Amino acid sequence: DAGVIQSPRHEVTEMGQEVTLRCKPISGHNSLFWYRQTMMRGLELLIYFNNNVPIDDSGMPEDRFSAKMPNASFSTLKIQPSEPRDSAVYFCASSGTGRAGYTFGSGTRLTVV
Amino acid sequence: EDQVTQSPEALRLQEGESSSLNCSYTVSGLRGLFWYRQDPGKGPEFLFTLYSAGEEKEKERLKATLTKKESFLHITAPKPEDSATYLCAVQPGGSGNTPLVFGKGTRLSVIA
Repeated sequence: DAGVIQSPRHEVTEMGQEVTLRCKPISGHNSLFWYRQTMMRGLELLIYFNNNVPIDDSGMPEDRFSAKMPNASFSTLKIQPSEPRDSAVYFCASSGTGRAGYTFGSGTRLTVV
Repeated sequence: EDQVTQSPEALRLQEGESSSLNCSYTVSGLRGLFWYRQDPGKGPEFLFTLYSAGEEKEKERLKATLTKKESFLHITAPKPEDSATYLCAVQPGGSGNTPLVFGKGTRLSVIA
């Protein structure tokens, strides 16, 4: 298995532009998590899905952030419009129903200028 | 509120100098405590899961232990390749897969 795949690896965009981050979870995993990592706040949960259904989006900072999971093999996190304070590394992770650890992707480093 | 506190924030060791990293937690119904390793520019990599007080797990030079309030990651005779950020996380109780709550990590540097 190729693991959790995120794209793009790096994104530089101007303030006000729309940004879309993509994630392909591990096949067979039924839970997907979006985290954001900054030096100040560490890893923070934004939203998570179980069986493609959003369960808790209370970590999404503002209405500018939205996430979808149209099927078991794909999820997107969209920021519209983007702001400089959104600059961070965004991670996607997936997990199955067993007791194994959550598997993280390599992350998307977002820079908003 | 579920919370994880890791100490120290940073640790510098000489090669072969053993030490321990601390993870203190408060959680509603602990389902598991997780340790991850994160290298610069990469995602966290799973190391261990501990489920109950008294449990211990080992992998090479690393050993994780768990009590009702904290976990320790013991590093025995570390090597430079053990340099990384080590993250601790708890999984609260609840139905289905509940999300992990992470500490801010300990940055470990092992000097040859």
